[in-house]
Amino acid sequence: AQSVTQLGSHVSVSEGALVLLRCNYSSSVPPYLFWYVQYPNQGLQLLLKYTSAATLVKGINGFEAEFKKSETSFHLTKPSAHMSDAAEYFCAVSYSGGYQKVTFGIGTKLQVIP
Amino acid sequence: NAGVTQTPKFRVLKTGQSMTLLCAQDMNHEYMYWYRQDPGMGLRLIHYSVGEGTTAKGEVPDGYNVSRLKKQNFLLGLESAAPSQTSVYFCASSPSGAISPLHFGNGTRLTVT
Repeated sequence: AQSVTQLGSHVSVSEGALVLLRCNYSSSVPPYLFWYVQYPNQGLQLLLKYTSAATLVKGINGFEAEFKKSETSFHLTKPSAHMSDAAEYFCAVSYSGGYQKVTFGIGTKLQVIP
Repeated sequence: NAGVTQTPKFRVLKTGQSMTLLCAQDMNHEYMYWYRQDPGMGLRLIHYSVGEGTTAKGEVPDGYNVSRLKKQNFLLGLESAAPSQTSVYFCASSPSGAISPLHFGNGTRLTVT
């Protein structure tokens, strides 16, 4: 069985500060990992994905994530937070199988303080 | 290019009423999904489809039915709505396989009183 744990349902950072959103996964087979962002009253949008190529993945809006197999982690980072980054972020895991079963974490709401 | 379109955007139902949510995608994707989003619970898969004419149960299928008569459309039905089905419903699609990211609609906010 696969699962995703996002540590911290709410994270606050000051504008210009480092953003770090944590994600740990559990999977019995090599996973595919995703980060999605959800702005108010919208659907989820893909930020970035890991599919067993480079372990450091760069996404949109200056975000990146590093796959660390030894720590079963896929934390999302951005060097300098902007006000426009305020949103909810979801980590998700899937694996190659008969169909695409995607498991989502519970989400982390990011607040950016001016 | 509309992507994934959900109708309606909002709906209020009384307990016991029925309704159908429509999802349409114009990307020729094989896979389509219905999720519900509830505070503190992330997204939970209700039903999914791996191609036209196929449907399968997800993790929370009770009280819902689906149909995929055309490749571009995926319908979610509530036969007898209950307050526990108050939620935000998202449709998503993907080309194929676990490696493909999901493309989401903007959601339908359903309240059951």
